[in-house]
Amino acid sequence: DGGITQSPKYLFRKEGQNVTLSCEQNLNHDAMYWYRQDPGQGLRLIYYSQIVNDFQKGDIAEGYSVSREKKESFPLTVTSAQKNPTAFYLCASSAAGTGGNEQFFGPGTRLTVL
Amino acid sequence: GIQVEQSPPDLILQEGANSTLRCNFSDSVNNLQWFHQNPWGQLINLFYIPSGTKQNGRLSATTVATERYSLLYISSSQTTDSGVYFCAVWRWGGSEKLVFGKGTKLTVNP
Repeated sequence: DGGITQSPKYLFRKEGQNVTLSCEQNLNHDAMYWYRQDPGQGLRLIYYSQIVNDFQKGDIAEGYSVSREKKESFPLTVTSAQKNPTAFYLCASSAAGTGGNEQFFGPGTRLTVL
Repeated sequence: GIQVEQSPPDLILQEGANSTLRCNFSDSVNNLQWFHQNPWGQLINLFYIPSGTKQNGRLSATTVATERYSLLYISSSQTTDSGVYFCAVWRWGGSEKLVFGKGTKLTVNP
């Protein structure tokens, strides 16, 4: 089945630790995105990548880092510099390198900082 | 940047009722999507509809791009329709992101 997978589903982190969230897609999409969702809110863009080895900051990139070494993978690292990392993280992809095409989302990762 | 407003913020229905959800946006757009977020957090694509009307079973959507709004219709609602419905827009020349509204939380009671 084609789709987007994210792991882990739940993640607990102690303050001061870096954690990496995985996102993989087998849709052969060029563009991939990371969003953050806080309770009762819409989604906000953290980072996006239109092509391998290239990525751009979104609205709330501070405290996060990404890499795009392979077309199918776009991992997100939440660093200790992110002051309020507890949130629901969603990865998405789209067919072309612009936001004009339909985006599809993975099932998400819930991160809790203890 | 572009603003997206959804109404109503909350909606409670009895099973079998019909409903209309609205999405207003502040500028012209090239992409508009409707999503359903289920209780487990999964965002499910409902419609990709920058203009015109589409139907999928009990759901239909209409976007009037010239008047900057979109409507999502749910007919004969079922308890499985419960969740949050999001509208998101994108336009050429803006930043490379979908701009999301805050959603409409729908509760369908049996």
